[in-house]
Amino acid sequence: TQLLEQSPQFLSIQEGENLTVYCNSSSVFSSLQWYRQEPGEGPVLLVTVVTGGEVKKLKRLTFQFGDARKDSSLHITAAQPGDTGLYLCSGEYGNKLVFGAGTILRVKS
Amino acid sequence: GAVVSQHPSRVICKSGTSVKIECRSLDFQATTMFWYRQFPKKSLMLMATSNEGSKATYEQGVEKDKFLINHASLTLSTLTVTSAHPEDSSFYICSAGRLAGEQYFGPGTRLTVT
Repeated sequence: TQLLEQSPQFLSIQEGENLTVYCNSSSVFSSLQWYRQEPGEGPVLLVTVVTGGEVKKLKRLTFQFGDARKDSSLHITAAQPGDTGLYLCSGEYGNKLVFGAGTILRVKS
Repeated sequence: GAVVSQHPSRVICKSGTSVKIECRSLDFQATTMFWYRQFPKKSLMLMATSNEGSKATYEQGVEKDKFLINHASLTLSTLTVTSAHPEDSSFYICSAGRLAGEQYFGPGTRLTVT
């Protein structure tokens, strides 16, 4: 059982559509991070959410942290082919990062 | 953001040989670095925590004699895959960060063992 349950595992959509990726846990996290990874490269940090109920926006990406700090979501508006990649949520657990299983997003033009 | 480099980016080696991968934090000092292994289209699997000046902490199921980690300075950690076999072929990634919850990842090393 993973500490962070991420869904969906795979998403294939058309350019211009909206999507949401979820990251859920039964444990409370002091913060959660979202990363994006392209094939053959390391993950790149997108955002850190710290406060319960927090909403952060990064251009067309909106990140939410649940009130109880057990879950987070990533919403992408009007997805573009450049958004294609593996999205990972993570949180600090015992001085190291734990990761969700990842969401492979493919945006078709 | 902080920069972490990895070298080499790709390496092909013969079965039975050893391969060393370097991970450097370029603009900050890191007392702790992490080494991950990643299979195609899968999430990151933590292998070990590299501690500057002391022994690495390995995750369950990771052979410490197989994957040697040395964190000799505050900016450099190395992972040596000893007596490599084809099943060791994978994408290896390191990370470092000022905060455990916010890591900066290297670009990864693609290891192919023939």
